Amino acid sequence: SQELEQSPQSLIVQEGKNLTINCTSSKTLYGLYWYKQKYGEGLIFLMMLQKGGEEKSHEKITAKLDEKKQQSSLHITASQPSHAGIYLCGADYGNNRLAFGKGNQVVVIP
Amino acid sequence: ETGVTQTPRHLVMGMTNKKSLKCEQHLGHNAMYWYKQSAKKPLELMFVYSLEERVENNSVPSRFSPECPNSSHLFLHLHTLQPEDSALYLCASSQEWGWQEKLFFGSGTQLSVL
Repeated sequence: SQELEQSPQSLIVQEGKNLTINCTSSKTLYGLYWYKQKYGEGLIFLMMLQKGGEEKSHEKITAKLDEKKQQSSLHITASQPSHAGIYLCGADYGNNRLAFGKGNQVVVIP
Repeated sequence: ETGVTQTPRHLVMGMTNKKSLKCEQHLGHNAMYWYKQSAKKPLELMFVYSLEERVENNSVPSRFSPECPNSSHLFLHLHTLQPEDSALYLCASSQEWGWQEKLFFGSGTQLSVL
């Protein structure tokens, strides 16, 4: 079974609208990483969350970590075409590696 | 630009060919990684090198052979691959091998095996 579930699998939003994607772990998290990937390219680091309740923001992207639910949400405010891509979460389970989810595909329609 | 460079960006090879993927980082990192990304699947960790020594090999078939001649360079040698090996191969590096280390990824090599 998948350790990390990302939902929704894909999302289409109109430019200017807000969106939220989620990453849920079946095991206890030591840390949670968000990356963004454009199709066929490498991953770009966005944010790392380590403590329950932690919230970080970068430009219009905000990520939170809910320790009780072992879940992280990533929220984009007033989405733009540049926000389109695949968002991957990576879980740190304290075993010297990151386990990744399948990704959330975000499409922003102008 | 993440500081991790992969070549080639695209590769098409037959099942009997031998080819190599190259990864280079000038970030001063001590750990380097190979990941495989197939459609509709999570990223799969293949190999990890720390200070030029292989520290992880995740049940990868022997037709994939990694090489780390120094801390800045990582290769993945390919021979007698199968069509199901077609995927995006990503190289990454981190300051050290260990948990809570941020990974820096290259742009990947899109491999097609015919």
